[in-house]
Amino acid sequence: DMKVTQMPRYLIKRMGENVLLECGQDMSHETMYWYRQDPGLGLQLIYISYDVDSNSEGDIPKGYRVSRKKREHFSLILDSAKTNQTSVYFCASSPGQTNTEVFFGKGTRLTVV
Amino acid sequence: QQKVQQSPESLSVPEGGMASLNCTSSDRNFQYFWWYRQHSGEGPKALMSIFSDGDKKEGRFTAHLNKASLHVSLHIRDSQPSDSALYFCAASVPNSAGNKLTFGIGTRVLVRP
Repeated sequence: DMKVTQMPRYLIKRMGENVLLECGQDMSHETMYWYRQDPGLGLQLIYISYDVDSNSEGDIPKGYRVSRKKREHFSLILDSAKTNQTSVYFCASSPGQTNTEVFFGKGTRLTVV
Repeated sequence: QQKVQQSPESLSVPEGGMASLNCTSSDRNFQYFWWYRQHSGEGPKALMSIFSDGDKKEGRFTAHLNKASLHVSLHIRDSQPSDSALYFCAASVPNSAGNKLTFGIGTRVLVRP
């Protein structure tokens, strides 16, 4: 069963706290992604990972960092969360080629208060 | 300016009717286009891809690409209530590592019973 799993699904954090969002995939995909979705802005790429320990900034990396120590796991870390990081975060994965489908998880709704 | 622009922002069609969605890119490096669909509370899911000029039909869905004008459209025939969702156009650059998609802000489709 091809799946991208995100944990947790909902999270409320106080401003200044650290946040860890976790993602797993069972398709042995090389490439994994973190996007955030905000009304009126669509989906914006935060980071892309081409394989273990091979990560690259996306369009909006400021305030975020990532970790990929196993091919099937990709974590997004917010050090000292800010209120403007309130958003829905999506993890995704795909095979390594450009013309392949990207599979998305169900998202994590993060609220920073 | 958004590199991938979608219109209209929202669309209401009667059940059994035709829905037409448009997408234009301002970046000539984008050559691969995708349509993704997102139901409420879920992650985006790929609907179809189109990489060559002309039409591509998959069931009730037809995509059309004109690379010269960087315009892609999606037509949904015999619309069903289950087609009510947020539809994203996404574009990528060929021969790049991974599948780094740039998304539009989406078109919300409501199918009226």
